[in-house]
Amino acid sequence: DSGVTQTPKHLITATGQRVTLRCSPRSGDLSVYWYQQSLDQGLQFLIQYYNGEERAKGNILERFSAQQFPDLHSELNLSSLELGDSALYFCASSATDSVALNTEAFFGQGTRLTVV
Amino acid sequence: GNSVTQMEGPVTLSEEAFLTINCTYTATGYPSLFWYVQYPGEGLQLLLKATKADDKGSNKGFEATYRKETTSFHLEKGSVQVSDSAVYFCALSDQFGSSNTGKLIFGQGTTLQVKP
Repeated sequence: DSGVTQTPKHLITATGQRVTLRCSPRSGDLSVYWYQQSLDQGLQFLIQYYNGEERAKGNILERFSAQQFPDLHSELNLSSLELGDSALYFCASSATDSVALNTEAFFGQGTRLTVV
Repeated sequence: GNSVTQMEGPVTLSEEAFLTINCTYTATGYPSLFWYVQYPGEGLQLLLKATKADDKGSNKGFEATYRKETTSFHLEKGSVQVSDSAVYFCALSDQFGSSNTGKLIFGQGTTLQVKP
């Protein structure tokens, strides 16, 4: 158990809908990262929050948004869903804003989103 | 930009065989390098890492050496077990200037299947 909790584990929804994925980081970790894992794109970085502030942005679509709350949990909002958004969405957390030397990123088990 | 290339799988080996999974990277500066493992139905777990040239990361019998001259970080294990069956991801830490960030750039993943 990595200590990173993601809910829900599975989500099935229709095209055009909006969903919210939730992530609780490990206790004490200030950074939260979101990644998308799909068959054609592999593992892609979406966005990072550090202590409530957006720190880095990857190839995140404008239809997607995220935030980190004062209790450090994070939500990833996906709207106007398309079939191609079907993927496994991972959340990770780390103690600091970088993953070098003695800081490690811990991953949750992911939320599998299926858009039908 | 920075990138990681892994050998394509699947790799199928018999128990106790020698394992090599090739990984090469493109990066400016001196990123940290990582191997993550994903067991079926689970999130990613850090297997090992190296933070500077000629460092060797090791864990659970797996090893990888940070080779700057060949921009490689190949994963090796002398004797694989059935329980090693998983997907293995090579990754590097993205950088802003000369500092490592929290963002990880992943290779496509290599599926390893070990048969008894």
